[in-house]
Amino acid sequence: DGGITQSPKYLFRKEGQNVTLSCEQNLNHDAMYWYRQDPGQGLRLIYYSQIVNDFQKGDIAEGYSVSREKKESFPLTVTSAQKNPTAFYLCASSIWSGFYEQYFGPGTRLTVT
Amino acid sequence: GNSVTQMEGPVTLSEEAFLTINCTYTATGYPSLFWYVQYPGEGLQLLLKATKADDKGSNKGFEATYRKETTSFHLEKGSVQVSDSAVYFCALYTQGGSEKLVFGKGTKLTVNP
Repeated sequence: DGGITQSPKYLFRKEGQNVTLSCEQNLNHDAMYWYRQDPGQGLRLIYYSQIVNDFQKGDIAEGYSVSREKKESFPLTVTSAQKNPTAFYLCASSIWSGFYEQYFGPGTRLTVT
Repeated sequence: GNSVTQMEGPVTLSEEAFLTINCTYTATGYPSLFWYVQYPGEGLQLLLKATKADDKGSNKGFEATYRKETTSFHLEKGSVQVSDSAVYFCALYTQGGSEKLVFGKGTKLTVNP
């Protein structure tokens, strides 16, 4: 089955630690995205990548970093510089960056204490 | 800039009731409009879309009509089921601008038996 996988589903970290969230897709999509979801806030774009080895900041990139070494993979690192890292993180992909229909993974809920 | 405003929830209905979730937008150019649904603990799924004025998107008994004159894209369903309980997001996309999806804050729907 084609789709997007995110792991783990739940992640717990201590404050001050960096943590990397995994996102893998086997849809052969060129573009991938990371969103953050907070209660009552909707979705906010963190980073997106249109092609391998290239990515752009979204609306709330501070405290996050990404890489895109492979077409299938777009990991997100939440660094200790992110002031409020506890959130639900969603990865998405689309056929190409100008194609609006995005497919979402199941999400990772990160809790930092 | 582009923005989406959804009616605030939560919305609680009895099974077989009529559902309307209001969505209005502000956008430059000619946006495409979407409704996404998020079931508890999951990522988002595209529910329906409309890409030009007067188009009607429909899926699983849900409908929404792109009304350019009122800048609206209200979601409706004639008879809701318990399984429709979820969070619903209205979103828009405009090409040639930031080329990203802009989401509303979401409306939580609970359907009671």
